[in-house]
Amino acid sequence: DAKTTQPPSMDCAEGRAANLPCNHSTISGNEYVYWYRQIHSQGPQYIIHGLKNNETNEMASLIITEDRKSSTLILPHATLRDTAVYYCIVRGQGAQKLVFGQGTRLTINP
Amino acid sequence: DSGVTQTPKHLITATGQRVTLRCSPRSGDLSVYWYQQSLDQGLQFLIQYYNGEERAKGNILERFSAQQFPDLHSELNLSSLELGDSALYFCASSENFNRGYTFGSGTRLTVV
Repeated sequence: DAKTTQPPSMDCAEGRAANLPCNHSTISGNEYVYWYRQIHSQGPQYIIHGLKNNETNEMASLIITEDRKSSTLILPHATLRDTAVYYCIVRGQGAQKLVFGQGTRLTINP
Repeated sequence: DSGVTQTPKHLITATGQRVTLRCSPRSGDLSVYWYQQSLDQGLQFLIQYYNGEERAKGNILERFSAQQFPDLHSELNLSSLELGDSALYFCASSENFNRGYTFGSGTRLTVV
């Protein structure tokens, strides 16, 4: 599975959009980009995933660049409850496991 | 409630002992994954089962073993416990390999 690079920490003001970047320059054609988050010591929570097209759900939007070497997770109106560690993971189709890196610690400030 | 149930929530035990952690996957999910999260190592994949069969193994110690039963619940057995085994142990389940995982709330194991 391709390695991902994320900034260790980010801050965002409450009510603003939080944009979390992820680099995955060695991604191959059949590998998906997944995003999870972990609030304090709770179990990680699935957010969204995509292959090449942009995706949106009730939680977030995922923007994948045309060359697929990077992506951005967008939380459109961040709230204090979005404070968490966000993990960007690249995973091959049919691959058996998700490999978590260190993620980005996002702090939403009032 | 994610639908994945892990018991117990907390466990305190002495070094050298053996414990069993239990996971009930979300209804309909055939895959179960176990992860260990300690303070200095992040989330580490241990092992995966699919419909009762082992499918993938990570950095799981020989002192640890797991199985998935016909009703699809899974158990992680940890033996000869050491202080360094103190961690959060998470179970996750998924419907198929390309869907997202759903994680349980974890079991916090403290070895004293």
